Amino acid sequence: NAGVTQTPKFQVLKTGQSMTLQCAQDMNHEYMSWYRQDPGMGLRLIHYSVGAGITDQGEVPNGYNVSRSTTEDFPLRLLSAAPSQTSVYFCATKLRLAIADYEQYFGPGTRLTVT
Amino acid sequence: ILNVEQSPQSLHVQEGDSTNFTCSFPSSNFYALHWYRWETAKSPEALFVMTLNGDEKKKGRISATLNTKEGYSYLYIKGSQPEDSATYLCAFNFKRLGSARQLTFGSGTQLTVLP
Repeated sequence: NAGVTQTPKFQVLKTGQSMTLQCAQDMNHEYMSWYRQDPGMGLRLIHYSVGAGITDQGEVPNGYNVSRSTTEDFPLRLLSAAPSQTSVYFCATKLRLAIADYEQYFGPGTRLTVT
Repeated sequence: ILNVEQSPQSLHVQEGDSTNFTCSFPSSNFYALHWYRWETAKSPEALFVMTLNGDEKKKGRISATLNTKEGYSYLYIKGSQPEDSATYLCAFNFKRLGSARQLTFGSGTQLTVLP
């Protein structure tokens, strides 16, 4: 099992460019989510999904889009990159959101710089 | 807005010392409390998930306790080793009617164990 994979590991974008961060999991987890991590702040939830075809906004959704057409994949799209989106992005999955005891598994992260 | 507070922000200890950190969270609508260990340049890894008041969990030299009535959890490390150096994150899961139960993360306690 590969677990949770993210691509790319690093990316530099110019302001206004768009791109998609990929997240894939092979654990058949229902729940997938995207966080961003900024210095001095905790992980902040951008968007999440509780199953294929179902997505919802987290704490900081502006400037990002998501879709979930399959159980395995949950791409995060930056529509028009801004310097404020410079961050490290983590994808995280959980077998089922509604079960309190289940752990959340994180991908290795994508470091994005917007110039 | 739910606040999850962790203290101290950072900590330096000598190898062999025992140490502990605190996570404070809202005591109402409690669902679960997660502890993660996050090494530099890696992704967060789950240590414990606790759901019941009075829960105590242990993994090797690391243990955690939970008090849901007063809204805090302690993480203890006995006999710290240099490989324990990491950021320790706690995350709070809350109940919300008709909506998914998201994790709200604290900003972490950064532990450095000096040889």
